[in-house]
Amino acid sequence: DQQVKQNSPSLSVQEGRISILNCDYTNSMFDYFLWYKKYPAEGPTFLISISSIKDKNEDGRFTVFLNKSAKHLSLHIVPSQPGDSAVYFCASTHQGGSEKLVFGKGMKLTVNP
Amino acid sequence: KAGVTQTPRYLIKTRGQQVTLSCSPISGHRSVSWYQQTPGQGLQFLFEYFSETQRNKGNFPGRFSGRQFSNSRSEMNVSTLELGDSALYLCASSSGLGSYNEQFFGPGTRLTVL
Repeated sequence: DQQVKQNSPSLSVQEGRISILNCDYTNSMFDYFLWYKKYPAEGPTFLISISSIKDKNEDGRFTVFLNKSAKHLSLHIVPSQPGDSAVYFCASTHQGGSEKLVFGKGMKLTVNP
Repeated sequence: KAGVTQTPRYLIKTRGQQVTLSCSPISGHRSVSWYQQTPGQGLQFLFEYFSETQRNKGNFPGRFSGRQFSNSRSEMNVSTLELGDSALYLCASSSGLGSYNEQFFGPGTRLTVL
């Protein structure tokens, strides 16, 4: 059973526009959410996170929104740059619980110049 | 500071063989986690070690095992390899248990089982 779902396998946007990456989760115990970015031949790198006590967290061009009632989070990248082209993984965990990180399958973002 | 290193980077084995992968964490990091990445399943958690003890385990068969040494280096072992074990195996280190926003990944070991 996929507890973290990234239903769109890919997204293509123009440079300068907004990229919106979506993620849904099913486990109501999850209370900490993270986004990772992965380039080919490299391991994932941590991008941004959000705790369930917040509904928004911003870091430069990256903003993560959390809608707990819908069990949905999204990552906004504004403005998108060609260097943002990568695979993005959403991950969730229950802090204080099992604390295992559960990842989505990833979504490939392509930013066209 | 050197990053997380994994050896070997690429490996080809045949069904039924066993394999050992190695991970050296960032200096000072005591937590090491292992993940399997496949196109169909994304990243799946295998296990986490902290201070030489397995603290967490994912839903993988007993053929997958690991250990951590006193210098925090970790190895994972897969016995009786199956075709479905072909994947990218990623290791990640952090200073403490559950410190995911401070978790750094290595480049992975690409295992191909023929």
